[in-house]
Amino acid sequence: DTEVTQTPKHLVMGMTNKKSLKCEQHMGHRAMYWYKQKAKKPPELMFVYSYEKLSINESVPSRFSPECPNSSLLNLHLHALQPEDSALYLCASSQGPGLDSYEQYFGPGTRLTVT
Amino acid sequence: GENVEQHPSTLSVQEGDSAVIKCTYSDSASNYFPWYKQELGKGPQLIIDIRSNVGEKKDQRIAVTLNKTAKHFSLHITETQPEDSAVYFCAANPNMLTFGGGTRLMVKP
Repeated sequence: DTEVTQTPKHLVMGMTNKKSLKCEQHMGHRAMYWYKQKAKKPPELMFVYSYEKLSINESVPSRFSPECPNSSLLNLHLHALQPEDSALYLCASSQGPGLDSYEQYFGPGTRLTVT
Repeated sequence: GENVEQHPSTLSVQEGDSAVIKCTYSDSASNYFPWYKQELGKGPQLIIDIRSNVGEKKDQRIAVTLNKTAKHFSLHITETQPEDSAVYFCAANPNMLTFGGGTRLMVKP
């Protein structure tokens, strides 16, 4: 089973709202990732968690706040977003412990629209 | 950091023909090269990957070749079918995955 699940599938939020994206995997993977993907572009890395600790933050604005409650769950808390933050947000996981050379499996994504 | 270039950006083939997508990378330390297929409205799906100690890998109708000297790798799809229509991304490490710009493959029935 190589399934990564994400909820919700679609999210529309105003610029003053607070919302959260959720990601879950049950493959025993120890590294989890958040990516942002704009239309017709490749995924852009936002955050990496390794063994439930934030290991990489690719200079993402503070209006995006990641959280890893346990080894199977990853959240992305959203607050005061801008319309340009509208995109497909993808979660991925990999076996680890090294963050390179391991297959990454992606979830279906959350389509976020900021109005 | 790593830089991955992917060509072509769009590719249209007739059903049953072969399709080839090429990527070049810049960092000689890269040692893992996956290919992802992304269908409309879905997340990227890992379809095949190759490591730097292997020159070629095949899985049914898809194959990947790697030329470490020239720093390029290619995806080959034979006997294409309409369901192969999607956007394909190549990627390379050595740290985090760096993705190519993507290739939109259209297979005409």
